[in-house]
Amino acid sequence: SSEVTQDPAVSVALGQTVRITCQGDSLKSDYASWYQQKPGQAPVFIMYGKNRPSGIPDRFSGSTSGDTASLTITGVQAEDEADYFCNSRLVFGGGTKVTVL
Amino acid sequence: EVQLVESGGDLVKPGGSLRLSCAASGFSFSNTWMTWVRRAPGKGLEWVGRIKSNSDGGTTDSAAPVNGRFSISRDDSKNILYLQMNSLKTEDTGVYYCTAERELSGWYGTYTWFDPWGQGTLVTVSS
Repeated sequence: SSEVTQDPAVSVALGQTVRITCQGDSLKSDYASWYQQKPGQAPVFIMYGKNRPSGIPDRFSGSTSGDTASLTITGVQAEDEADYFCNSRLVFGGGTKVTVL
Repeated sequence: EVQLVESGGDLVKPGGSLRLSCAASGFSFSNTWMTWVRRAPGKGLEWVGRIKSNSDGGTTDSAAPVNGRFSISRDDSKNILYLQMNSLKTEDTGVYYCTAERELSGWYGTYTWFDPWGQGTLVTVSS
């Protein structure tokens, strides 16, 4: 199956660490890419595998283990409140809404 | 500056048609595989379809929900990507984004990602 699954929502206190996961069989062989989308804005590409494109803060990191890809935000900032989507083999996960408390 | 600008979104009745355009600048459009992604209200991102570069055959792929109703084309002389949408349904309502599909391959495997993205154009299908 090419489906990838994300938790719908997560809350995190300002300055703490949050991990967003993406699970699917395709992730056993393919790397995930990650996108951040804020209300009324276009998605922004923020990670491929464990690599950050230029301009993305280093508090964002990526990893993969087995069938699960993870996006970790260390030292969450208020501006990180957004929807986060993973993608594998052209399929997007359902998205995780990150709320910063 | 790398830029994608969509246009053509509108209010259309069910069963109607619409053509979206995406103007590209700042990168080698003709050598790039291009993709349409949409986001319906209250839902997540959904891959709609893509068109390969003409040097890679120029073929298209589309998602099951739009197969047979939507078609993707490109005009490399004008650096424009198109999405022709026919037999529109209410569930096609959403913001439509164009984006470039990128790939990096090596001994480590293959990375695929979408960047940049346009600002989106709103399609509303309603009677």
